[in-house]
Amino acid sequence: AQKITQTQPGMFVQEKEAVTLDCTYDTSDQSYGLFWYKQPSSGEMIFLIYQGSYDEQNATEGRYSLNFQKARKSANLVISASQLGDSAMYFCAMREGLRARSQGNLIFGKGTKLSVKP
Amino acid sequence: GAVVSQHPSRVICKSGTSVKIECRSLDFQATTMFWYRQFPKQSLMLMATSNEGSKATYEQGVEKDKFLINHASLTLSTLTVTSAHPEDSSFYICSARGEGASSNQPQHFGDGTRLSIL
Repeated sequence: AQKITQTQPGMFVQEKEAVTLDCTYDTSDQSYGLFWYKQPSSGEMIFLIYQGSYDEQNATEGRYSLNFQKARKSANLVISASQLGDSAMYFCAMREGLRARSQGNLIFGKGTKLSVKP
Repeated sequence: GAVVSQHPSRVICKSGTSVKIECRSLDFQATTMFWYRQFPKQSLMLMATSNEGSKATYEQGVEKDKFLINHASLTLSTLTVTSAHPEDSSFYICSARGEGASSNQPQHFGDGTRLSIL
């Protein structure tokens, strides 16, 4: 079973509008962290936002907010006031409780390609 | 913020060549480094986790004799693709975590290396 599921291979949004990118996750750990990264066509991975499993409030970072619904195991990314520069691949990722083998590596979803239209 | 430098950014070489990719943490000590591989339009797949001064831990299906990882210091890890063949062509990206990094700290990624084997 996939640990991280991003069901939207591609999304379009009009400039200045808000867009929600979906992410659901699967873990039996009580302690975990959820991350969103942006990957432009140049390839670098840009960290956007983090949500901890024990955080009671949804994380926000500027135009990015995370709609965390723990019972549903979803961590959707909301981008407000989209800009042309937001066009990129967006990856949801999870870090489960530290395990001796992986030592906290990130597990990535398949990504969503966001295209912002002028 | 923390910076990870990856070099080279692009390599084009003939089949049978061995290629070394360097990953450096510039302003922190990276006790753990992760090496990922990304095929076009796909997600990042963890290849191996390396810890300074010890042998790397490889993910299932990754040939350790093919992908040699050395993490000789707290600021440098290298990935050597030995006797590379066209099927090894891919985007390789490293990331690093510092000692004592808490679970909410994001991994810092290098800018990636685009490897093309002719």
